[in-house]
Amino acid sequence: DVVLTQTPVAQPVTLGDQASISCRSSQSLVHSNGNTYLEWYLQKPGQSPQLLIYKVSNRFSGVPDRFIGSGSGSDFTLKISRVEPEDLGVYYCFQATHDPYTFGAGTKLELK
Amino acid sequence: EVQLVETGGGLVQPGRSLKLSCVASGFTFNNYWMSWTRQAPGKGLEWVASITNSGGSTYYPDSVKGRFTISRDNAQNTLYLQMNSLRSEDTATYYCTRGGLASYGDDWGQGVMVTVSS
Repeated sequence: DVVLTQTPVAQPVTLGDQASISCRSSQSLVHSNGNTYLEWYLQKPGQSPQLLIYKVSNRFSGVPDRFIGSGSGSDFTLKISRVEPEDLGVYYCFQATHDPYTFGAGTKLELK
Repeated sequence: EVQLVETGGGLVQPGRSLKLSCVASGFTFNNYWMSWTRQAPGKGLEWVASITNSGGSTYYPDSVKGRFTISRDNAQNTLYLQMNSLRSEDTATYYCTRGGLASYGDDWGQGVMVTVSS
């Protein structure tokens, strides 16, 4: 199975700062069709997860442009510029290139 | 507005069965893949099952293969998860998830809790 390793486990931030989360895969996430099915989700406290980014760098409908996904192969990053209160929660990366689909263990974005 | 409403959770003894339902609204149900995703208490997310828009193909991880069955009734806009031979490690909140054209989980239900305990 593909293992997604997220770092850091927790990211203390000050509102208005930039935050960066890494997601490294145990194998390349490039599909045979040329696409890379790497996604990012945010789970706010007490809520269901919500999609932020799909196919590495595509923002889902309604997601602010302060969320930027990047990377390739097996190394991916989610950057959040100018962190706002509604950005706090647990971020998960997810891959749907290989069966079984797998999630990273999560990174908690919290206030310093 | 997309709505996914899960029902059917509860407390069940190990080895017994339970069937979850998810009623969908706000979109053309038979156009989308659907999935179930779960989250054990205080833990991360785990993919449980997926089904194509027609229901013709289904996919599972090894942790539930042979015990869980995902199905759908496109006439009733309803997704199901039949869970047999339940184990304590199946205790989790189960989310109904709608796939997108190029993504796994565009929309998520509020989740339903399943507790497997004697």
